[in-house]
Amino acid sequence: KQEVTQIPAALSVPEGENLVLNCSFTDSAIYNLQWFRQDPGKGLTSLLLIQSSQREQTSGRLNASLDKSSGRSTLYIAASQPGDSATYLCAAPASGGSYIPTFGRGTSLIVHP
Amino acid sequence: EAGVTQFPSHSVIEKGQTVTLRCDPISGHDNLYWYRRVMGKEIKFLLHFVKESKQDESGMPNNRFLAERTGGTYSTLKVQPAELEDSGVYFCASSQTGFGTDTQYFGPGTRLTVL
Repeated sequence: KQEVTQIPAALSVPEGENLVLNCSFTDSAIYNLQWFRQDPGKGLTSLLLIQSSQREQTSGRLNASLDKSSGRSTLYIAASQPGDSATYLCAAPASGGSYIPTFGRGTSLIVHP
Repeated sequence: EAGVTQFPSHSVIEKGQTVTLRCDPISGHDNLYWYRRVMGKEIKFLLHFVKESKQDESGMPNNRFLAERTGGTYSTLKVQPAELEDSGVYFCASSQTGFGTDTQYFGPGTRLTVL
């Protein structure tokens, strides 16, 4: 059974800092891994989708890496801004070659001015 | 282009009552998914429709939950009778192609409270 763990659970930083959010998963036989953002009272917004053949994906100030062998993914946020404040969720497919995503509990990020 | 919409945004009902949640996917998206987040826990998959057919309903908790997608457009998720442990936020998502190949677009969720 796939288990996804996100560390830290919460993070509060001043504006401008570079951040690293961690995601670990127990079953490395995954097709892809996805990072989402959730704002309070809103749905999830897909940030980055990394296929298993890729090592990383970049979108603006966001960079996500994937290391299947170690069962880890990292979301790097450069030059954080108050607008980055949200909960960040990592999702990896369930075990057994399934495509069904297993979510972590998320990292709640606050970037203060 | 309109995103995924869900109705209602909030629902408060008493144990034993029935509640029906609705999801309207993005137009043209054949794939529709339901998820649930119980307070303090992670988001969990409930089921997946491809058009009007249930592709995978392995995440449905029990037979008190019934999902339909008549005509392959909007979907409903009925809980009957509701129990206290059904409280949580129910998310719907849609995509053009299936899992693993395409981004899922999520709705804002329906917050269900069972008293």
